[in-house]
Amino acid sequence: NAGVTQTPKFQVLKTGQSMTLQCAQDMNHEYMSWYRQDPGMGLRLIHYSVGAGITDQGEVPNGYNVSRSTTEDFPLRLLSAAPSQTSVYFCASSTLSGESNEQYFGPGTRLTVT
Amino acid sequence: DAKTTQPTSMDCAEGRAANLPCNHSTISGNEYVYWYRQIHSQGPQYIIHGLKNNETNEMASLIITEDRKSSTLILPHATLRDTAVYYCIVRVGGVLTGGGNKLTFGTGTQLKVEL
Repeated sequence: NAGVTQTPKFQVLKTGQSMTLQCAQDMNHEYMSWYRQDPGMGLRLIHYSVGAGITDQGEVPNGYNVSRSTTEDFPLRLLSAAPSQTSVYFCASSTLSGESNEQYFGPGTRLTVT
Repeated sequence: DAKTTQPTSMDCAEGRAANLPCNHSTISGNEYVYWYRQIHSQGPQYIIHGLKNNETNEMASLIITEDRKSSTLILPHATLRDTAVYYCIVRVGGVLTGGGNKLTFGTGTQLKVEL
């Protein structure tokens, strides 16, 4: 049981380039989400999904796209990278039932846009 | 979701109890108090949650005041590995629709455990 995995761990992009951050979970969780964390700040929600084929925007969605074709995978696409997207990106997953709805976070992807 | 207020930083001696306070004076009746921590830029880790009763698990205890306007996370015997940023989050619990499952992170409390 690997939990939540993210690839790559580190990435450097030039302004205007596009890329996809990968996220996968093996816990059969319905809910998956992406957060970004800027230095000295808390995490902010980018996009989330409550199941395959269903996605919605979070607090800071501009410049990012997501899709959910399977329960396991929830990739985050940067369409045209900008220096303001330099951040650490975390993927999380959880069930949607039960009291705790404990969210499991991946190890993060550290992205630098030059 | 209700707003929370936490001290920016706290220190604790190794082996002593670490008591981390959180104010959530605007909490609603159906909102739970959750605690997560983030060790050295790793992904956040769930610690504990509660509604109105005190809760204990293998990691920590959570004490919620009777009026539910504040709470305290207690790490009974802090170790160096407990050095982390601790986030207090108030949110609706139970069966959720997707939008209600989000976690709203503030800046948390930086706990430093020292020898």
